[in-house]
Amino acid sequence: EIVLTQSPGTLSLSPGERATLSCRASQSLSSNFLAWYQQKPGQAPRLLIYGASIRATGIPDKFSGSGSGADFTLTIRSLEPEDFAVYYCQQYGDSPGAFGPGTKVDI
Amino acid sequence: QLQLQESGPGLVKPSETLSLTCTVSGLSVNNINYYWGWIRQTPGEGLEWIGSVYYSGTTYYNPSLKSRVTISVDTSKNQFSLTLNSVTAADTAFYYCARTRGFDIMLFDSWGQGTLVTVSS
Repeated sequence: EIVLTQSPGTLSLSPGERATLSCRASQSLSSNFLAWYQQKPGQAPRLLIYGASIRATGIPDKFSGSGSGADFTLTIRSLEPEDFAVYYCQQYGDSPGAFGPGTKVDI
Repeated sequence: QLQLQESGPGLVKPSETLSLTCTVSGLSVNNINYYWGWIRQTPGEGLEWIGSVYYSGTTYYNPSLKSRVTISVDTSKNQFSLTLNSVTAADTAFYYCARTRGFDIMLFDSWGQGTLVTVSS
């Protein structure tokens, strides 16, 4: 079973700064089946990125994903107040589609 | 606009069965392009995929839950449902229903708001 780790656990930044979040898999992912979600308090997760680098419908281009194999990165260019949230990575190529523990981006 | 809404008891006794329904509006669950799934979230274990169902009734389950889970679809009501047997306190969680992104059965691009289910006597 593939296990995902995310770092850092918490990222403290200011509006306007760039956020770089890391997700590492315990083994190489098939076809880069790696997704990123954003979750705000009291809300469901929202799909941001799939296929490691493809933005989901309606997601602004300040969000970008990169990486391959077992190492992946989510970059948020120029943080805005609404971007402060928890971000999860997920591999969806092999059952049971594990999620990472999350990175909290706060002010 | 696609909307998903979970419904069901918020409190279930240990050893009993958890039953939730997801009502879909804005898209037919008969749509051949998607699966429909359930995901849960706990403070301790984080997000966990439970399983996914196709309009035909084909299902895929998380192996760790497979012995206790049934997901079914009711096309006449445009709903799909989750049952989880023999619940324990470890099954206390927010439960979300969601639509898959195409045929990626564990990738979800539209989610319900979630419902908290507490397992307690």
